[in-house]
Amino acid sequence: DIVMTQSPLSLPVTPGEPASISCRSSQSLLHSNGNNYLVWYLQKPGQSPQVLIYLGSNRASGVPDRFSGSGSGADFTLEISRVETEDVGVYYCMQALHTPLTFGQGTRLEIK
Amino acid sequence: EVQLVESGGRLVQPGGSLRLSCAASGFSFSNYWMSWVRQSPGKGLQWLANINRDGSEEYYLDSVKGRFTISRDNAKSSVYLQMNSLRAEDTAVYYCARAIAVALDYWGQGTLVTASS
Repeated sequence: DIVMTQSPLSLPVTPGEPASISCRSSQSLLHSNGNNYLVWYLQKPGQSPQVLIYLGSNRASGVPDRFSGSGSGADFTLEISRVETEDVGVYYCMQALHTPLTFGQGTRLEIK
Repeated sequence: EVQLVESGGRLVQPGGSLRLSCAASGFSFSNYWMSWVRQSPGKGLQWLANINRDGSEEYYLDSVKGRFTISRDNAKSSVYLQMNSLRAEDTAVYYCARAIAVALDYWGQGTLVTASS
């Protein structure tokens, strides 16, 4: 199974400041079609996970452009250019290349 | 609007069985694979099973293979998870999710299963 490792696990951020979350996979998520099968989710308090980014760098519909994803192979990053209070929650990466689909441990973003 | 509504979660004794349901609306259900994912405090998010569009293919996490069975009824736009021989460590919120090639793109609100005596 592909192991997903996120860091940091806790991320206190001042509103208006940038934030960055790392996700590393135990094997490459690069498909032969040239796409990286890496998804970023945000789970807001009391809600189910919602897609932010798919294929490593594509923003899902309705996701603010302050969210961006980058990386390739086994090393990925989610960046928030200017954190807002509504961004509080737990961020997960997930690999969608092979079953079993596997998730990172989650990164809890909190407002300072 | 895509909606997924899970039901069936409750308190069950270890060794017992439970069938979860997920009713879908707002999209052409028979055109999509579906998944079940659970979330427990100790293990975060854990994918459990996938089923293809017509129900002829099923895939499972090794640790639930033989105990859990995913199925679907396209006429009712519903997907199910039959869980047998439940253990304390199966205690979690269970989500159904729509599966596309690149992501689990829509999730239900979840249903809580508690396996405890």
